[in-house]
Amino acid sequence: RKEVEQDPGPFNVPEGATVAFNCTYSNSASQSFFWYRQDCRKEPKLLMSVYSSGNEDGRFTAQLNRASQYISLLIRDSKLSDSATYLCVVSNTGNQFYFGTGTSLTVIP
Amino acid sequence: SAVISQKPSRDICQRGTSLTIQCQVDSQVTMMFWYRQQPGQSLTLIATANQGSEATYESGFVIDKFPISRPNLTFSTLTVSNMSPEDSSIYLCSVAGGGSNQPQHFGDGTRLSIL
Repeated sequence: RKEVEQDPGPFNVPEGATVAFNCTYSNSASQSFFWYRQDCRKEPKLLMSVYSSGNEDGRFTAQLNRASQYISLLIRDSKLSDSATYLCVVSNTGNQFYFGTGTSLTVIP
Repeated sequence: SAVISQKPSRDICQRGTSLTIQCQVDSQVTMMFWYRQQPGQSLTLIATANQGSEATYESGFVIDKFPISRPNLTFSTLTVSNMSPEDSSIYLCSVAGGGSNQPQHFGDGTRLSIL
C-alpha cells in the first residue's frame, strides 16, 4: 500500500466553481501534512501546511481527519490561475516525506 | 523561506557522460534532499544529503550512479554518472528545517536530456 494516495484527477472545472481534493495516508503516526502546487515544468511550491484544527488561506481551505487518515484541500471561486497539479505531502517524525502522485486541475473559462 | 539556487537549469548530454548539479542555499539548513521527476510522474526521492557524511540513498538508487556531496550546511551536489536516455528527467534539490513540522522548499530544478 502506498504511503500517500490522491485522487488521480484530472479535474476540469469552470471558473468560479468550488473543487475539493482528497488525499489518504497509511501511517497513523504521520506528524505533518502539506499541500504543494506544481505548475507545468516548474518545481513544487508550498501552498499551505495542514493543521489539526483545519486552516484557511483566502480561497483555500485545508482539513485533516486523523481518525480516517485523510487530508483535503478545498478551492473556492476557482480562477484560471489555479490550474496546476496539487501534491499532497505527509511527513513523519523521522523527517521522511512522502509525496502523492498529484491531482491535475484545469480551470476552464 | 530559504532561497535555493540550482545549476545548471537545463542541459543536454551525450550518453556515457556525467553531469554534476549544484544546489546552493542562502542560509544554513538541516535537511537537503535530491529528487527526480520523470515526465508526467510525481517526485521520487533519490537520497538525503547528510552534512559531513555519506548520503542516505533510497531503494533503487546507488552511490556509484548518483554520488552526492554535502560539504557544509548551505551546499550540495548531485552527479548523474554514466548517463543513459533513461536518466532524462528533472532533478530537484530541496531543503527543510530539522523539525518534523517543517515543509520542504525546492530549487527550480535541472532539466536533463540525454541523447
